[in-house]
Amino acid sequence: QVNLQESGPGIVKPSQPLSVTCSVTGYSITTSYYYWNWIRKFPGNKLEWMGYISYDGSIYYNPSLKSRISITRDTSKNQFFLQLNTVTTEDTAVYYCARDSYYYDGTYPHWYFDFWGPGTMVTVSS
Amino acid sequence: DIQMTQSPSSLPASLGERVTISCRASQGISNNLNWYQQKPDGTIKPLIYYTSNLQSGVPSRFSGSGSGTDYSLTISSLEPEDFAMYYCQQDASFPRTFGGGTKLELK
Repeated sequence: QVNLQESGPGIVKPSQPLSVTCSVTGYSITTSYYYWNWIRKFPGNKLEWMGYISYDGSIYYNPSLKSRISITRDTSKNQFFLQLNTVTTEDTAVYYCARDSYYYDGTYPHWYFDFWGPGTMVTVSS
Repeated sequence: DIQMTQSPSSLPASLGERVTISCRASQGISNNLNWYQQKPDGTIKPLIYYTSNLQSGVPSRFSGSGSGTDYSLTISSLEPEDFAMYYCQQDASFPRTFGGGTKLELK
């Protein structure tokens, strides 16, 4: 069984970087062809996909965050990481990590998030 | 970005009732539409992928349909554990985007 677990700072001061770790057990993050994502849920329920790091280390970010976001990984620990720079109160959210899996219809793969962590709340406040 | 509009945002319903949640995309998404359930404790799980495929372990009372820009999630007979938040999500193009959510509440 795939398990993901986020760990984060709880509270971050404005203008500081936010860092969250996703620890994965039960599945290697280098296994083809899976992608490992960060998604956040704001107060008020809006969900935002932030970006992913793939099984081979390639990265894709949501353009709305591109100047502030970094996703990296440590394959020896089977972890991947989110860093969001220069945070404001608008970055207050529950941060989730999730695995991207695919369904192959015989022609194309179609992707969805099949395993999620429980989420970690990060509050930006002075 | 593709905008996803869910309706209703809140849905009061009774045990045993049949309910439908709608999701409209701002442009055609070729059935690349997934549904998720979020429980009150915050945990999120997939229900339906690629419009109508039931995720393993999800009860058969859940079903999905749609095409083009319009999609729906139907629960045929509500059970107590179904009262939760529901989100649609498109995977037709980046960035992936979600609907605003539907809160299914006990009437």
